[in-house]
Amino acid sequence: QKEVEQNSGPLSVPEGAIASLNCTYSDRGSQSFFWYRQYSGKSPELIMFIYSNGDKEDGRFTAQLNKASQYVSLLIRDSQPSDSATYLCAMAPGGGNKLTFGTGTQLKVEL
Amino acid sequence: EAGVTQFPSHSVIEKGQTVTLRCDPISGHDNLYWYRRVMGKEIKFLLHFVKESKQDESGMPNNRFLAERTGGTYSTLKVQPAELEDSGVYFCASSQGQVLLGSEAFFGQGTRLTVV
Repeated sequence: QKEVEQNSGPLSVPEGAIASLNCTYSDRGSQSFFWYRQYSGKSPELIMFIYSNGDKEDGRFTAQLNKASQYVSLLIRDSQPSDSATYLCAMAPGGGNKLTFGTGTQLKVEL
Repeated sequence: EAGVTQFPSHSVIEKGQTVTLRCDPISGHDNLYWYRRVMGKEIKFLLHFVKESKQDESGMPNNRFLAERTGGTYSTLKVQPAELEDSGVYFCASSQGQVLLGSEAFFGQGTRLTVV
């Protein structure tokens, strides 16, 4: 079993819709969770960080964390073509400063 | 402010040769990380420096890989001798504080290494 599981996609949504990206993890000791966005050939860039159960909103992005069920999700409201990218779920295992990544979900926002 | 810089952006070498990758972190960032992504797989942690000290090198695949961070500034990752399975994209990242506490890790654009 992989430490971090993501559906590789592609996930296609129409412009203006809500994109929902999901991630499950196996290490119950994980404390901090991250969503990175990576455009093709570019570096991953952090878009959300969450460590408490519940929702965290930042602009059009909402991260949701449920530690009991071991999943973290990312909602993108009013999806734009510029949101088309690969979204990487990552976490920092308990007590460590290294990131454990999923394989990423490719999102395509269509006009 | 300059971001994390990696050099070279691409490298093609023959099996058995040596390659050295370089990373210049964001100025003032004590934490420097190396990650690797091989084809079709997830990005995997290699090691973590705090200043010039290796904090965690649990992800280093074997002793053909040697990372250094002289003076706590830039870092190099040497692969000697390179094998076919070493091909992939090597990312460097840096952070000011602890990632665990939410300090952002900024990534470089990566070095694409191809061993033929």
